[in-house]
Amino acid sequence: NAGVTQTPKFRILKIGQSMTLQCTQDMNHNYMYWYRQDPGMGLKLIYYSVGAGITDKGEVPNGYNVSRSTTEDFPLRLELAAPSQTSVYFCASSKRETDTGELFFGEGSRLTVL
Amino acid sequence: GQNIDQPTEMTATEGAIVQINCTYQTSGFNGLFWYQQHAGEAPTFLSYNVLDGLEEKGRFSSFLSRSKGYSYLLLKELQMKDSASYLCAVEDSNYQLIWGAGTKLIIKP
Repeated sequence: NAGVTQTPKFRILKIGQSMTLQCTQDMNHNYMYWYRQDPGMGLKLIYYSVGAGITDKGEVPNGYNVSRSTTEDFPLRLELAAPSQTSVYFCASSKRETDTGELFFGEGSRLTVL
Repeated sequence: GQNIDQPTEMTATEGAIVQINCTYQTSGFNGLFWYQQHAGEAPTFLSYNVLDGLEEKGRFSSFLSRSKGYSYLLLKELQMKDSASYLCAVEDSNYQLIWGAGTKLIIKP
């Protein structure tokens, strides 16, 4: 059982470049999330989705876009990368009908923008 | 604003007990989570509290007081592998998770 899979694990971008972080889950979870984690800070929600075809902004959506065409996939698009987007990005999923609604995280993608 | 406070770093000795505190001020409350995150890895779920009181799960226990906006994670019989960051997160009235910055726990032999 793969769980939540993110790619790539590491990436260096130049300022102004664009890229897509891929995320897929095989647990049939309805909710999916993208977070960024900066040193000394709590996880910040970028975008989330409650099901295929539905996405919504989180706390820090500027500079990012998402889509959710299937239950399994939730890619995060960075347009015109900026140094402020240097961070570790985590994709997560949850099945809200469970008692806890615990999040299952991917391994993370470490992005550096130079 | 919404705020989660937890100590930045704590040190404890192998075999001992440590208590990591978390205080919160949020717009509503739908539950409190504790996650463990080893360096360079993803967070993993430890516990969930929605009612006041103590939830015990093996060596780990989590306590919640909603009236005080307070929780703690209690780790017993500490092992070297418990060296990690412990993240407190509260689900607000919109079912959004608000995360603390995490407490880095250092275990010494």
